Formats: sequence, structure tokens, C-alpha cells
Amino acid sequence: KQEVTQIPAALSVPEGENLVLNCSFTDSAIYNLQWFRQDPGKGLTSLLLIQSSQREQTSGRLNASLDKSSGRSTLYIAASQPGDSATYLCAVLTGANNLFFGTGTRLTVIP
Amino acid sequence: EAGVTQFPSHSVIEKGQTVTLRCDPISGHDNLYWYRRVMGKEIKFLLHFVKESKQDESGMPNNRFLAERTGGTYSTLKVQPAELEDSGVYFCASSPLVGPSGANVLTFGAGSRLTVL
Repeated sequence: KQEVTQIPAALSVPEGENLVLNCSFTDSAIYNLQWFRQDPGKGLTSLLLIQSSQREQTSGRLNASLDKSSGRSTLYIAASQPGDSATYLCAVLTGANNLFFGTGTRLTVIP
Repeated sequence: EAGVTQFPSHSVIEKGQTVTLRCDPISGHDNLYWYRRVMGKEIKFLLHFVKESKQDESGMPNNRFLAERTGGTYSTLKVQPAELEDSGVYFCASSPLVGPSGANVLTFGAGSRLTVL
């Protein structure tokens, strides 16, 4: 059974810092891995999607890496801003076409 | 392009009552999914429709939950009778049909928060 773990559960950093969020999964048989952002009262916004054959994806100040064999992914946020404050969720898509989510990391960027 | 719309955004009901949640997917998206997040836990899959057919309902917790997608457009998720442990946020997502090598990218709605007292 696929289990997704995210560490840390919460993180506070001063504005301008670079930071890394971690995600691990137990079953490496995945189709892809996605990082989502959730703001209070809002839906899930897809940030980056990495196919199982890829090692990383970049979008602006965000960079996500995937090491499928070890069951790990990281989301790197450069030069953090207060607007980056949100909950970040990692999810893997399995052969059953279902997304398995982690519990998320709540990020607070302090001005 | 309109996104995935869910209604209501928040519902407060008493134990034993019935609640119906609605999801309008992105037009043309044949895949429709329901997910749920209960307090302190991760978001979990409930079920998956392809058009009007239930492709996978392995995540449905019990027979108090009934999902329908008549005509393959919008979907409803009914909880009857509601119990305290049903409280949480119910998310709907949709995606277009893709081939075996395509990426299945789900677009999520804002969720419907259910509080059972």
C-alpha cells in the first residue's frame, strides 16, 4: 500500500531564504509525482508535475526533484516571499490512476 | 475556462441528517474524482468516474456514501445518514481522458467543507 510522508509538517522562514520541502513514498511504482499548493479556503493548485522517467522540473523559483528508486522528492523554493505562505502537498499517481497524498507541509514566510 | 466548481463551500448538519455535495467538472473532462480530507489526515481517494460510469469506488468508506454522475456531466456525493466522523473537506477533481503515455493532470475544486455536529 502506497504511503506518502512529508517532512517537516510545518516550517517558518524569514523572507528571502531558500528552503527545501521533503516528500517520501513507499512504493516506487508510480506514474508521476505532483507538488500542489493549497491556500486556506481554496482548491489545490498544481505547481509541478514530474513524470516517473524524469528527474526534475522547474518553474520560476520552484524546482522539484524526483528519485524514484529511493522513493524521494524535494521541492526547492528560492528567495521565499510572504506570498509563498501556504500548505504544500506532495502526491503520487499510481497504476490504479489514484493520487496518494502526503499530509502536507505548512509554510509560513515571515516578512 | 471555468475551473472545477463545488457546492456548497461549507455545510453544517446534525448527525443523522443527509447532505448532498455537488461537483461541476471542467467541460469536456470525462474523468471525475472525489477525494476527502478528514482532520489531521492526508487527502484520500474516494472514487473515480469515467463519464457516467464508476471506474473505481474502492475508497468509499461505507454504504452511507452514494455518488452519482448522471449524464456524465456533474456529480453528486450524498451522505445519508451523516456521522460525526464524516466531517472533513471533500474535494472534486477532473481531467480529460488521456492515452497510456499521457500525463493525467487533475484539476481540483476548492472543496466542500462538511461539519457534522
